[in-house]
Amino acid sequence: QKEVEQNSGPLSVPEGAIASLNCTYSDRGSQSFFWYRQYSGKSPELIMSIYSNGDKEDGRFTAQLNKASQYVSLLIRDSQPSDSATYLCAVNPSRDSWGKFQFGAGTQVVVTP
Amino acid sequence: EPEVTQTPSHQVTQMGQEVILRCVPISNHLYFYWYRQILGQKVEFLVSFYNNEISEKSEIFDDQFSVERPDGSNFTLKIRSTKLEDSAMYFCASRGRTISNQPQHFGDGTRLSIL
Repeated sequence: QKEVEQNSGPLSVPEGAIASLNCTYSDRGSQSFFWYRQYSGKSPELIMSIYSNGDKEDGRFTAQLNKASQYVSLLIRDSQPSDSATYLCAVNPSRDSWGKFQFGAGTQVVVTP
Repeated sequence: EPEVTQTPSHQVTQMGQEVILRCVPISNHLYFYWYRQILGQKVEFLVSFYNNEISEKSEIFDDQFSVERPDGSNFTLKIRSTKLEDSAMYFCASRGRTISNQPQHFGDGTRLSIL
């Protein structure tokens, strides 16, 4: 069974600090990786995508990918109360699938003023 | 910005009844998906659809479920005889023209409550 694992949290972060979220995946053939934000009762909203090893920055967000370690992470700099949400790691598994996503259970982030 | 739209936002149905959830994917997208999320649990893949046929389905997607793209714009999920355990948020998603390295765009979801 191919799995995507995340720490469930909650991860409590002071306003202005850096939130660090981790995700591991079991399918070594996975091709692309996504971070979604989900507010309670709402749908997943795309934050970042990453496909190659290394770092990718977009505003206050940085995604990091290490395919050898099967690890992807998300950093949120200068955390704001509006960043309080559940962050979902989504993985597009092996190349021969029809693009379905496997989601982790999500990490709840709480930014405290 | 184009978006995926889903109707209704909330559906309440008696157990054993049929329910149809509707989605309008982004207009130039070719790959369509249904996911569900039981309260407090992870988002789970149900089915993917491409070129007017199911391309992949999960073990959750049993004979009670079906999907259809009846008119080139709508994408529907039908549950033939609902069970209590079908209560969940159902999300429709669509993806662009190339299958790899493309994010999926999600609709706002339909909350299905089975009584």
